[in-house]
Amino acid sequence: AQKITQTQPGMFVQEKEAVTLDCTYDTSDQSYGLFWYKQPSSGEMIFLIYQGSYDEQNATEGRYSLNFQKARKSANLVISASQLGDSAMYFCAMREASGGSYIPTFGRGTSLIVHP
Amino acid sequence: DTGVSQDPRHKITKRGQNVTFRCDPISEHNRLYWYRQTLGQGPEFLTYFQNEAQLEKSRLLSDRFSAERPKGSFSTLEIQRTEQGDSAMYLCASSPQTGHHNEQFFGPGTRLTVL
Repeated sequence: AQKITQTQPGMFVQEKEAVTLDCTYDTSDQSYGLFWYKQPSSGEMIFLIYQGSYDEQNATEGRYSLNFQKARKSANLVISASQLGDSAMYFCAMREASGGSYIPTFGRGTSLIVHP
Repeated sequence: DTGVSQDPRHKITKRGQNVTFRCDPISEHNRLYWYRQTLGQGPEFLTYFQNEAQLEKSRLLSDRFSAERPKGSFSTLEIQRTEQGDSAMYLCASSPQTGHHNEQFFGPGTRLTVL
């Protein structure tokens, strides 16, 4: 079974509008971390935001916020006030605490295109 | 530049040849990771070092792949007898041992094309 599912292969948004990128995950661990990364066409993965499973509040980093719904096992990324430079691939990832591994599992990504 | 660097950025080789990639992590990071990414997929874990010790290897890492981090600083990833299926982007990342959530910092990647 997929541990990270990103169901939207592509999303389009008008500049200055908000957009939500979906991510659902599957784990039996109680302790885990969720990450979002941005990958522009240059190829480098850029860390955006982190949510721990025990964090009671949704994480926010500037224009990025993570809508964490633990019971639904979803960790959607919300980008407010989209900019043209936000056009990129976005990857959701999860790191489980079991076994002491620090290796995250990545989803297949969502391509975001911001229109002027 | 104090980020993760990778060399070369692009490599074109013929099937059957050996290739070696280098990764220089952020200097104070003791954890180093290698991933492979193919078109339309997220990064897939290959192997992980803590200092010079290789602690985890994915089943994706066949016998033709070997990675080293001899002094706990830079790392190399070698692919022997390359196959066309090895064509991919190879990403390196590093992270500190301490920190709130140990996010990984990625390099720009090495794009391998096997002809």
